[in-house]
Amino acid sequence: ETGVTQTPRHLVMGMTNKKSLKCEQHLGHNAMYWYKQSAKKPLELMFVYSLEERVENNSVPSRFSPECPNSSHLFLHLHTLQPEDSALYLCASSQDLGRENYGYTFGSGTRLTVV
Amino acid sequence: AQSVTQLDSHVSVSEGTPVLLRCNYSSSYSPSLFWYVQHPNKGLQLLLKYTSAATLVKGINGFEAEFKKSETSFHLTKPSAHMSDAAEYFCVVRSDTGRRALTFGSGTRLQVQP
Repeated sequence: ETGVTQTPRHLVMGMTNKKSLKCEQHLGHNAMYWYKQSAKKPLELMFVYSLEERVENNSVPSRFSPECPNSSHLFLHLHTLQPEDSALYLCASSQDLGRENYGYTFGSGTRLTVV
Repeated sequence: AQSVTQLDSHVSVSEGTPVLLRCNYSSSYSPSLFWYVQHPNKGLQLLLKYTSAATLVKGINGFEAEFKKSETSFHLTKPSAHMSDAAEYFCVVRSDTGRRALTFGSGTRLQVQP
């Protein structure tokens, strides 16, 4: 384990469902990120949080709603998704926003399938 | 603006032969550069990073990369491939100013033949 835990590992949901992805880190990091990894496409940054405050929203549709209740937890709430939203969703953390130079620690991801 | 281009989507080598995964970057400022590896059904693991210190960077599992500013390249190499090296490799860039987060390349899938 890397220190960043994502649950569930796999999720299948219908287009009318509401579900949430969870990310948890106890590394003492202050910045957390959601990335989307689709087949044959580069990783797409979705959201950036620093000290529980959203500092970047990368033109993500409103059917994805992030929540960061504290610096250790990050959620991605999903509703009325489309089949093209099927992907691997990766959570990452870093020491601080200004310290991405140290690299990120990634979770293992949630494999989402929208049917 | 920052971007990164991985020149090969697939690379296949034989076990015991050298590995070369190519990466070119574009950055308006002095960049930080990384290589990450992703094994099947796993998250991404940091292999090595360059942050304006020595231009030849050594990472885990025998990998290394050389930062060449004149060529805007940061190619990943390993003298002798092992079966366990089969994975997807991502070249990543971050500029010192501008966009906060890391920008990932599209990835290179490394196959290692016995």
